[in-house]
Amino acid sequence: EADIYQTPRYLVIGTGKKITLECSQTMGHDKMYWYQQDPGMELHLIHYSYGVNSTEKGDLSSESTVSRIRTEHFPLTLESARPSHTSQYLCASSEYFTGGRAFFGQGTRLTVV
Amino acid sequence: SQQGEEDPQALSIQEGENATMNCSYKTSINNLQWYRQNSGRGLVHLILIRSNEREKHSGRLRVTLDTSKKSSSLLITASRAADTASYFCATDRGTGNQFYFGTGTSLTVIP
Repeated sequence: EADIYQTPRYLVIGTGKKITLECSQTMGHDKMYWYQQDPGMELHLIHYSYGVNSTEKGDLSSESTVSRIRTEHFPLTLESARPSHTSQYLCASSEYFTGGRAFFGQGTRLTVV
Repeated sequence: SQQGEEDPQALSIQEGENATMNCSYKTSINNLQWYRQNSGRGLVHLILIRSNEREKHSGRLRVTLDTSKKSSSLLITASRAADTASYFCATDRGTGNQFYFGTGTSLTVIP
């Protein structure tokens, strides 16, 4: 089983609130990712990191921000939540070498009302 | 899709039958992987095939890769009700090796 954890699993929050979705892994992986999954199932890469102090934006533009101060921790923050942010957010990590497989957390289902 | 398409979008079969899912992608890749997602959960890695491989097996899974057509297929033999899930292909490309996922196939295996 993957040692990557996301909290909370479910979050219902009002418009305009600031939220942080937590993601931690105990595998010592350098690479970490955040995906947004829409109801039609497709996963969109929104952020990734190669290691500490490295963050990059993915293909899907997102109003969220991320930080990577520690190898094991890759939180995602929304400064002002909106209903359009309602989605499933999945965090993943992988080893650095080409061909390393990704390990996923259980996901956070965010609903902004 | 960011990277590719999968078909069919949804597949419903009887237990014991084989299930085949296809994945097409758009750019050159280093390798292609298949993942499974149970409803509302994270994804779990199933199998990886490298760009210089054409076929790979793992238990009841068989994956093929045709880099000239930029396509891959996943075959699940002798399906079980527990195989009911969504299946995604993922490619990593370029020097950064970010994972890009297809649109997924929703498989239902009827007992």
